[in-house]
Amino acid sequence: RKEVEQDPGPFNVPEGATVAFNCTYSNSASQSFFWYRQDCRKEPKLLMSVYSSGNEDGRFTAQLNRASQYISLLIRDSKLSDSATYLCVVNSHGGATNKLIFGTGTLLAVQP
Amino acid sequence: ETGVTQTPRHLVMGMTNKKSLKCEQHLGHNAMYWYKQSAKKPLELMFVYNFKEQTENNSVPSRFSPECPNSSHLFLHLHTLQPEDSALYLCASSHPAGTKNEQFFGPGTRLTVL
Repeated sequence: RKEVEQDPGPFNVPEGATVAFNCTYSNSASQSFFWYRQDCRKEPKLLMSVYSSGNEDGRFTAQLNRASQYISLLIRDSKLSDSATYLCVVNSHGGATNKLIFGTGTLLAVQP
Repeated sequence: ETGVTQTPRHLVMGMTNKKSLKCEQHLGHNAMYWYKQSAKKPLELMFVYNFKEQTENNSVPSRFSPECPNSSHLFLHLHTLQPEDSALYLCASSHPAGTKNEQFFGPGTRLTVL
């Protein structure tokens, strides 16, 4: 089983749509979770950290379910500029190390 | 804009060449990383340095040799590479383990080995 699994997509959605991405992780000791965004031929950039209580940043909402080892990202009112690959990222050994494990990413294409 | 810079941005080299990739961070971090990103694969961690000390070598072949002279600079020395080593090599930095450890990436070096 992969340490971090994501649906690779692509997700093709119209502008204004709501889209949700899911991610599962295998290491129950993981403590830190992130969503990164990667544009084509660019470096990954931190989109948001994911907290146990869930957190929201504008149109983006992240949720964490520790019992199911599941992370989600919800994007509301999609914009053309949201088109990118979204990477689910997990700290592999809790907070004691800074080794991050990346999923393969989910490709989002927002259509006009 | 990113506080992590990488040079060169593109590199083409033969299998017998020796070259080096450079990374510099201006974020006051004490941890630096090398990653490899191949097509259709997730980012693969190669090396981790905390306070200039290597703390992780993810079974990387010896033809890749990292160097961290100080907390702001990281090098990846390359020699006798193989065509399958062609990839995007990304440098990142963060605060050390045990603190907020979001990692910030440089723009990468796109390497082609002929």
